[in-house]
Amino acid sequence: IAGITQAPTSQILAAGRRMTLRCTQDMRHNAMYWYRQDLGLGLRLIHYSNTAGTTGKGEVPDGYSVSRANTDDFPLTLASAVPSQTSVYFCASSDDSTGELFFGEGSRLTVL
Amino acid sequence: GQNIDQPTEMTATEGAIVQINCTYQTSGFNGLFWYQQHAGEAPTFLSYNVLDGLEEKGRFSSFLSRSKGYSYLLLKELQMKDSASYLCAVRDRDYQLIWGAGTKLIIKP
Repeated sequence: IAGITQAPTSQILAAGRRMTLRCTQDMRHNAMYWYRQDLGLGLRLIHYSNTAGTTGKGEVPDGYSVSRANTDDFPLTLASAVPSQTSVYFCASSDDSTGELFFGEGSRLTVL
Repeated sequence: GQNIDQPTEMTATEGAIVQINCTYQTSGFNGLFWYQQHAGEAPTFLSYNVLDGLEEKGRFSSFLSRSKGYSYLLLKELQMKDSASYLCAVRDRDYQLIWGAGTKLIIKP
């Protein structure tokens, strides 16, 4: 089934640990995004990539990094996790012609 | 700054009609999206408006007035499965999406 796959689905980790959330798409979309979603707040953009080899900072990039080595993969790394990074993280890609976003199922991260 | 406003929560009755409003103030405008998000799930696409007027898709319709910075999502013949959050998002002049906080719709029998 075509779409976006995120891993892990959920994770609990200790503060200070390094964590990488994986995201893979098979729709050959150029643009990909990482959002976090917290209760009462809208989706907030962390980082984005308009095409393989390029990345950009979103609204809340601090404490996160991304890479885009190829079209399909867009991992998000927390170098040293802090409790305020407890959230649900969504990876998405957008259709090049319509701009419609397709989301992964989300990764629920708890930092203790 | 850029801002999207939508009601936090709405309640409606099964079989009825509900209108969810969205007002926006953004740097430019390149389209407005509505997404549906069930609890614990990912958002899924509902509609896209770039020109003024009403777009109808089955039980769901979306309206846009660019001069007023206003859109609404109209849901007819409400079903229990329509209980979800509805997210309004505007694409600004840089083609970045600005998201509202979402409207939680509760359907009662």
